[in-house]
Amino acid sequence: QVQLQESGPGLLKPSETLSLTCTVSGGATTTHYWHWIRQPPGKTLEWLGYIFSNGSTTYNPSLTSRLTMSVDTTDNQFSLKLRSVTAADTAVYFCARSYYDRSGHPYDFDIWGQGTLVTVSS
Amino acid sequence: EVVLTQSPAILSLSPGERATLSCRASQSIYIYLAWYQQKPGQAPRLLIFDASNRAHGIPARFSGSGSGTDFTLTISSLEPEDFAVYYCQQRADWPPLTFGGGTKVEMK
Repeated sequence: QVQLQESGPGLLKPSETLSLTCTVSGGATTTHYWHWIRQPPGKTLEWLGYIFSNGSTTYNPSLTSRLTMSVDTTDNQFSLKLRSVTAADTAVYFCARSYYDRSGHPYDFDIWGQGTLVTVSS
Repeated sequence: EVVLTQSPAILSLSPGERATLSCRASQSIYIYLAWYQQKPGQAPRLLIFDASNRAHGIPARFSGSGSGTDFTLTISSLEPEDFAVYYCQQRADWPPLTFGGGTKVEMK
């Protein structure tokens, strides 16, 4: 059974870089799309982007300038870096998995990590 | 960007009652809509994909319908564990993939 687990610092100062890693257990990162999604406290979900095992990425256009995703298929991990954070980046960050169709379009998020709270505060 | 509008924001019902949740898209998304359930402190769980298909292990009391711009999630008879927040999400027009604002189903 595939499981995802996020890890990384829970507290950052404004202007710092948020770095999170998602470890995939029970399956390989060489299939599926691997996504990051966040949820500010009390608010709805925001999709950040995804990465495929070959390193190709698709990001939310609203965050492209600050976002970098990477994947390590050897260690079955994928990562997120979000630069120049502000208080607006305070959220629970989830990693999630989706299949994709023959055209490369992502399907729905069928497996999620438990989420990790990242707080940005001076 | 496709905007998904969910209504009502809060639905107050009793166990055994029927719940009807709505999700409206700002443009046609065909059938490419999913529904998720989220309980406090937990990750969302996929309930319905492609508007009307139940995900693996989802009870039959959950059903989805709709196409184009108007979609509905129905819970035929609420169980105590169904009180949660429900989100719709589209994959028809991306990036970005987008979510609705959520409907909280609370116990009356």
